[in-house]
Amino acid sequence: AQSVTQLDSQVPVFEEAPVELRCNYSSSVSVYLFWYVQYPNQGLQLLLKYLSGSTLVKGINGFEAEFNKSQTSFHLRKPSVHISDTAEYFCAVSDRSKGKLIFGQGTELSVKP
Amino acid sequence: ETGVTQTPRHLVMGMTNKKSLKCEQHLGHNAMYWYKQSAKKPLELMFVYNFKEQTENNSVPSRFSPECPNSSHLFLHLHTLQPEDSALYLCASSHPGQGQETQYFGPGTRLLVL
Repeated sequence: AQSVTQLDSQVPVFEEAPVELRCNYSSSVSVYLFWYVQYPNQGLQLLLKYLSGSTLVKGINGFEAEFNKSQTSFHLRKPSVHISDTAEYFCAVSDRSKGKLIFGQGTELSVKP
Repeated sequence: ETGVTQTPRHLVMGMTNKKSLKCEQHLGHNAMYWYKQSAKKPLELMFVYNFKEQTENNSVPSRFSPECPNSSHLFLHLHTLQPEDSALYLCASSHPGQGQETQYFGPGTRLLVL
């Protein structure tokens, strides 16, 4: 079975500062990895995903994530955040046979002016 | 309308009521999902439908009854719910496959059970 741990439940940061949201996973099989974002009163929207190939994945809105197999991590980064990045961010994994998404608990990113 | 829509957006019901949540997708997908999102907990997958057939029931209590009449519509029928069932219920859709597909989510129905 897979599991996902998002190490920070809340991350406050000032506008234009860099940010890293941490995600670790455990799985006995190969997985696909995803980051989704949820803005207030909305559903989840895909930011980026890792399927195979290059371990550095670029997504929308200037976000990127790096897959580290040895550390079983998939941390999300952005070099300079905006107020509009304030949202909840979810890391998720799916195994390559069942295709079921398992989500982490979410990280609330709060960008302050 | 585009994407995934859900109605109603908000619902308050008593424990003896019967209500239904509706989800519609306009993306040409053949897989649809129900998730439960409770405060401070990870999203919980409830049901999965592929080509109108239920392929996953994640040990959901029988007071939740899904229905998928066609690939574009998904319902969640609710009856005799408990206060702990209060949550945001999210619908999603995707192309069916083996895990690499992006799921597209609706805005959710916020349910309060009194």
